[in-house]
Amino acid sequence: DTEVTQTPKHLVMGMTNKKSLKCEQHMGHRAMYWYKQKAKKPPELMFVYSYEKLSINESVPSRFSPECPNSSLLNLHLHALQPEDSALYLCASRPGRGENTGELFFGEGSRLTVL
Amino acid sequence: SQKIEQNSEALNIQEGKTATLTCNYTNYSPAYLQWYRQDPGRGPVFLLLIRENEKEKRKERLKVTFDTTLKQSLFHITASQPADSATYLCALTTYGQNFVFGPGTRLSVLP
Repeated sequence: DTEVTQTPKHLVMGMTNKKSLKCEQHMGHRAMYWYKQKAKKPPELMFVYSYEKLSINESVPSRFSPECPNSSLLNLHLHALQPEDSALYLCASRPGRGENTGELFFGEGSRLTVL
Repeated sequence: SQKIEQNSEALNIQEGKTATLTCNYTNYSPAYLQWYRQDPGRGPVFLLLIRENEKEKRKERLKVTFDTTLKQSLFHITASQPADSATYLCALTTYGQNFVFGPGTRLSVLP
């Protein structure tokens, strides 16, 4: 079982809705990631938080707004999304910057459908 | 431009044979390279990591090689089983935080 928990597992929203995806880990990891994955494509990096500070934003549209309230929690706030934003949203964590053991621990993802 | 390629989108092999998957990259200088397995509708799961100064790593039936001159990694699954059927992704990281994934190879092991 994954130690990164994502909720909800499935989300359907309209283009005018505001919703949030949540990610939690209790492994003491200090780097947390959001990836977006479309069908039959690899995960695509969106954001990286390191020690609760945003360190990478891969030019993601502002309708996606990340938040890291503490070292265990990562949110992705969604507003005014488009149907092409429908995808599997994956959260991942790793020990932290400067650590040379690089593996990412992924959650099971949140499947988002925008109508 | 930077690019990661994996040898084929899909690979079918017979049970018991060795599966060999390839990851090639251009215009990257990765500190290390990783392989992940992903089952449909689930998050990727880490399998193996190999650093730029290592040639080979093994874990049970898995073996990965890394040739920084050829800019290539090979991933082998020996004595393959139907349960090994999944998509396998290679991932590069250069400065420790940004992990970039290759397009993946969908492996089917036929009984």
